[in-house]
Amino acid sequence: ELKVEQNPLFLSMQEGKNYTIYCNYSTTSDRLYWYRQDPGKSLESLFVLLSNGAVKQEGRLMASLDTKARLSTLHITAAVHDLSATYFCAVDPHGYALNFGKGTSLLVTP
Amino acid sequence: EAGVAQSPRYKIIEKRQSVAFWCNPISGHATLYWYQQILGQGPKLLIQFQNNGVVDDSQLPKDRFSAERLKGVDSTLKIQPAKLEDSAVYLCASSPRPGDTQYFGPGTRLTVL
Repeated sequence: ELKVEQNPLFLSMQEGKNYTIYCNYSTTSDRLYWYRQDPGKSLESLFVLLSNGAVKQEGRLMASLDTKARLSTLHITAAVHDLSATYFCAVDPHGYALNFGKGTSLLVTP
Repeated sequence: EAGVAQSPRYKIIEKRQSVAFWCNPISGHATLYWYQQILGQGPKLLIQFQNNGVVDDSQLPKDRFSAERLKGVDSTLKIQPAKLEDSAVYLCASSPRPGDTQYFGPGTRLTVL
């Protein structure tokens, strides 16, 4: 059974600080996705990582993928309140359905 | 470009009743997915369609859940009879083809009393 584990599950951080969310998965996959979900809203695609060593950046968020370690990271730089949301990583080993982690609930405080 | 549409947005029913959800994917997207998201968890795939054919329904509780995509566009997901543990948000997603980025609809929040 494919397992996708995120940590931490809850994160409270001050504005201006940096932090990293980790996503480990248990089977070989060349595709990894990061989604954002605001309370009561649906999932918004942030990044698609398609190969080992892939790095993508958008604003204060940067995602990377190490397929050999089966690890992806989502790095937050100089956090702002607008980044408060739940972040999910999802693995798609067969090119079909997404297997999601439990999500990381991020709260950025002044 | 219009996104994935779902209705209703909210539904409250009593256990043993039936309920149906509707999804209209992004135009031209051949692949459609239904996910169940229980509070505090990530979405879990229920069923995947490619055009009007089922690709994967291995996690669909077939004794009570059914889904169809008759003309390869809209899809409906039905639960009959509902149980308390079916309380969740039901998300529909679509992609141009398998393996492409999936785009999610707003979801239907189901509460079973």
